[in-house]
Amino acid sequence: EAQVTQNPRYLITVTGKKLTVTCSQNMNHEYMSWYRQDPGLGLRQIYYSMNVEVTDKGDVPEGYKVSRKEKRNFPLILESPSPNQTSLYFCASSRGRVHRSPLHFGNGTRLTVT
Amino acid sequence: QQQVKQSPQSLIVQKGGISIINCAYENTAFDYFPWYQQFPGKGPALLIAIRPDVSEKKEGRFTISFNKSAKQFSLHIMDSQPGDSATYFCAASIGAAGNKLTFGGGTRVLVKP
Repeated sequence: EAQVTQNPRYLITVTGKKLTVTCSQNMNHEYMSWYRQDPGLGLRQIYYSMNVEVTDKGDVPEGYKVSRKEKRNFPLILESPSPNQTSLYFCASSRGRVHRSPLHFGNGTRLTVT
Repeated sequence: QQQVKQSPQSLIVQKGGISIINCAYENTAFDYFPWYQQFPGKGPALLIAIRPDVSEKKEGRFTISFNKSAKQFSLHIMDSQPGDSATYFCAASIGAAGNKLTFGGGTRVLVKP
């Protein structure tokens, strides 16, 4: 089954404790992206990657890191999480540029930082 | 500052009624306008999309209307069903950039039986 898999689904952590949210897709998609979803703000892009070793900032990149060492994986790293990063996070992938190909989303990771 | 403004934030409609969600944008370079549907506990999924060379696109009970001069587009759900209860997001992107979708704030739709 074609899918985007994120882990974990739920994560509670404390301020400053480094964490990684994994994302993997099995569709051989070139494009991958991370979004955060907050009430009333919709989905805001954190980082995206057009291909292996090619990443770029989205609208809200502060406090986040990503890497794209393999085509299928695109982990999101929070080096020193803070409470304002409490949110619902989605990884997404697309066959190509998003104005031509639909985004396929994972089921989300709900992060709480205390 | 949101580049795509979506309204209303929530909507309750009776089964069989029409749900209407509106979006307005500022950037005239946007040239692709998709709508995504999200069920609780799931990620969004593409529902329907339109490009500015057409004023309307219909897929089943879902219709996008596009008004380029007003910089507005809307989603109409005809004959709304309880299974349509979900959060709907409008979005926009620029073809030349093609690497980012800018989303609206979302509309939670509840269809009452």
